[in-house]
Amino acid sequence: QKEVEQNSGPLSVPEGAIASLNCTYSDRGSQSFFWYRQYSGKSPELIMFIYSNGDKEDGRFTAQLNKASQYVSLLIRDSQPSDSATYLCAVTPGDSGAGSYQLTFGKGTKLSVIP
Amino acid sequence: ETGVTQSPTHLIKTRGQQVTLRCSSQSGHNTVSWYQQALGQGPQFIFQYYREEENGRGNFPPRFSGLQFPNYSSELNVNALELDDSALYLCASSSEGGSTDTQYFGPGTRLTVL
Repeated sequence: QKEVEQNSGPLSVPEGAIASLNCTYSDRGSQSFFWYRQYSGKSPELIMFIYSNGDKEDGRFTAQLNKASQYVSLLIRDSQPSDSATYLCAVTPGDSGAGSYQLTFGKGTKLSVIP
Repeated sequence: ETGVTQSPTHLIKTRGQQVTLRCSSQSGHNTVSWYQQALGQGPQFIFQYYREEENGRGNFPPRFSGLQFPNYSSELNVNALELDDSALYLCASSSEGGSTDTQYFGPGTRLTVL
């Protein structure tokens, strides 16, 4: 069974610090990798996607992908209390057919940014 | 706001009943995926519709069914409701393409089965 693993947390960081969220996946053929943020009682909101090995930066967020290690991470710089949420890692499988691809999610990591 | 809408927001049903959830995709998107999110878990893929055809299905029993309309809106139907069906049901829309399609979620429907 194809799995996505995340540390459930909670991960607590002080305001202004760097938060590091990690995710591993079992399907070596996985092609696309997504990070979603989910506030309590709300639906997931896309933060970033990454397809190629290396780093991708968008504002305070940096996604890192290492396909050889089957590892993807999200760094949040200058963490703010408003970043407190659950962060979901999602991957698309390597054997999907036509059209869009199903997402396999981890259980999410709960981040708490302490003022 | 993603432009994906879902109705109703909340729903309470009793065991054995049937329910229909609705989703309107974002303008320009032709693919709708449905996910079930139990409390404390990540979303689980139910199925996906692409141009009115089912395009992949997760590990859910046949009592979970759906359809997509010509305007790309979609319905999720669940028959013979069970207590474990209580969850947040999420609809996500995306546009045609390869594995880099990005899915945008609607606000979800919270279903409670008593």
